[in-house]
Amino acid sequence: AQSVAQPEDQVNVAEGNPLTVKCTYSVSGNPYLFWYVQYPNRGLQFLLKYITGDNLVKGSYGFEAEFNKSQTSFHLKKPSALVSDSALYFCAVRALNTGFQKLVFGTGTRLLVSP
Amino acid sequence: GAVVSQHPSWVICKSGTSVKIECRSLDFQATTMFWYRQFPKQSLMLMATSNEGSKATYEQGVEKDKFLINHASLTLSTLTVTSAHPEDSSFYICSAFRTGGGTEAFFGQGTRLTVV
Repeated sequence: AQSVAQPEDQVNVAEGNPLTVKCTYSVSGNPYLFWYVQYPNRGLQFLLKYITGDNLVKGSYGFEAEFNKSQTSFHLKKPSALVSDSALYFCAVRALNTGFQKLVFGTGTRLLVSP
Repeated sequence: GAVVSQHPSWVICKSGTSVKIECRSLDFQATTMFWYRQFPKQSLMLMATSNEGSKATYEQGVEKDKFLINHASLTLSTLTVTSAHPEDSSFYICSAFRTGGGTEAFFGQGTRLTVV
C-alpha cells in the first residue's frame, strides 16, 4: 500500500532563513507527488507537484521541492521564509496501483515562521 | 486554477438531526469527487469516493448509512450526515480532479460541523 511520511510535526524557522519540510513516500511504481498548504479552518491549497521530468519543481509563493527517487523523498523548500508562510503543510501521493485515483496524505507538518 | 466550492462553511446542529454538505466544482466537470474528514491537528482521512451517476465507494470503517453521498451531476456531490451525534463533529473537506485532464486535486474550503 502507498504511504507518505512527514517525520516532523512542527518546523520552526526565523523569517528570512531557508526552510525545509521533509516528506518520504512508499509506493509501487512511479508516483505523482504533491504539496498542499492549509490555513486555519480552510481547505487545502495546491502548492506544487512532481509528475515526471526535472527533479526540482517550482511552485506557488516561492516554494520548490526536490524529487529524489533513490531516497524516495520529496522535501519542500523555500530559500527565504516569510511569517505569512506559517501554516500546515501536507505532502501527498497518487499512485498507479490505485489507478491514480486516490490521494494519500502525510500527517502534516506545522510550519512556524517567527519574525 | 480550478475552483471547488463547499457549502456551508460551518454548521451547528442538534443531536439526532441530519446535515447536508454540498461540494461544487464551479468551472470544471468532475466525474469523481472525494470526501475527507479531518480531526483537530490531524491529517485528512479519506471517507469515500463519490462517482457521478453511481454509488459511492466507502473506505473501510466508514458507515455508508451514516454518511450518505450523492453525486447527481458532474459538478455537484453532497454528503449528508444522518442522525448526527457529537462524535461526528469534525472538519469535512471535499476535493475533485478535473475530468479528462489535470493531475492535482482541488479542494473545497471545508465545513466545520458541530453537533450539540
